[in-house]
Amino acid sequence: KQEVTQIPAALSVPEGENLVLNCSFTDSAIYNLQWFRQDPGKGLTSLLLIQSSQREQTSGRLNASLDKSSGRSTLYIAASQPGDSATYLCAVEERANAGKSTFGDGTTLTVKP
Amino acid sequence: DAGVIQSPRHEVTEMGQEVTLRCKPISGHDYLFWYRQTMMRGLELLIYFNNNVPIDDSGMPEDRFSAKMPNASFSTLKIQPSEPRDSAVYFCASTPLGQNTGELFFGEGSRLTVL
Repeated sequence: KQEVTQIPAALSVPEGENLVLNCSFTDSAIYNLQWFRQDPGKGLTSLLLIQSSQREQTSGRLNASLDKSSGRSTLYIAASQPGDSATYLCAVEERANAGKSTFGDGTTLTVKP
Repeated sequence: DAGVIQSPRHEVTEMGQEVTLRCKPISGHDYLFWYRQTMMRGLELLIYFNNNVPIDDSGMPEDRFSAKMPNASFSTLKIQPSEPRDSAVYFCASTPLGQNTGELFFGEGSRLTVL
């Protein structure tokens, strides 16, 4: 059974700092990995999707990497802003169960002005 | 497109009552998912459909839960009878997996409180 772990559970940083969020998964036979952002009381917003054949994806100040062999992904946020404060979740879709994604519990980020 | 649309956004009901949650996926998306989110258990997949057909309902907690997708633009998740432990946020998501992207798009969720 696929297990997805996100460490740390919470992170607080001063504005302007670069930071890395971690996601690990136990079964490397994945179809893709997706990073989401969730604001309080809201749904999940897709940030970046990395296909299994890719090693990284970039969008603005965000960069996500994928290392299937080690079962790890990182989300790098450059020059953090208070508006980046949210919970960040990663999800992996397994090849054995196309369409079915397993989510981590998320990292709650607070960026202090 | 307006995105995935869910209703109601909030529902407060009493134990034993029937609850129906509704979802309209993004047009053209051939997969639809129902998730439940709680503080204790995080985000759990309940059931998902491909082209209106249920593929995997192993996450449905018990027989009190049922889901249908009568057509490509509408799905319901029903709880009958509801219990306090069903209180959670229920999310619907869709993806154009048939187009080989796999990107999930979520609705805003339905927050259910069972008293």
